[in-house]
Amino acid sequence: EIVLTQSPGTLSLSPGERATLSCTASQSVTNNFLAWYQHKPGQAPRLLIDDASDRATGIPDRFSGSGSGTDFTLTISRLDPEDSAVYYCQQCAHSPLTFGQGTKVEIK
Amino acid sequence: EVQLVESGGGLVQPGESLRLSCAASGFTFRSYWMHWVRQAPGKGLQWVAMIKGDGSQKFYVDFVEGRFTISRDNARDSLYLQMDNLRAEDTAVYFCAGGLGWTAQYWGQGTLVSVSP
Repeated sequence: EIVLTQSPGTLSLSPGERATLSCTASQSVTNNFLAWYQHKPGQAPRLLIDDASDRATGIPDRFSGSGSGTDFTLTISRLDPEDSAVYYCQQCAHSPLTFGQGTKVEIK
Repeated sequence: EVQLVESGGGLVQPGESLRLSCAASGFTFRSYWMHWVRQAPGKGLQWVAMIKGDGSQKFYVDFVEGRFTISRDNARDSLYLQMDNLRAEDTAVYFCAGGLGWTAQYWGQGTLVSVSP
């Protein structure tokens, strides 16, 4: 099983600032099949990034993904108050599929 | 518009069974891998199981294997999760999700399963 470790646990930033979220895998993620999701309380999770760096349909270009192998990053270039949520990475290369424990982004 | 609507959650006692359903619309259901993902109270997302579009392949996380069964009915655009021998630690919101590959592109709002004496 691939274990994903996300850091930091919580990020508290002001609107307009840049957020950098990290996801580290315990072994290489084949073909960089790594996804990022945004999840707000009481709502369905939303796919942001697929295959490490491909933005999903309708996702603003403020969101970008990068990385390969075992180290991946989600960047939110200019934080908006609506970006307050928990962000999860997920490896979609090997069963069982696994999620990181999440990074909570708080907007000051 | 894509919609995934879960149903079938509720309160059961340990050892009992429950069957979750997910009604899909707005996309070609039979072409999509479908997943069940859960979130226990105060915890993160946890992948549970997935099934290929034609139902020919199924995968499970180890701690539900032998207790949970994922299935689908492409004629009804529906996904199911049969949960047997439920435990307190299975208490969670269960989400239905789907994608053309193994990534979950579409998600439902979830249904709550509570397992308590």
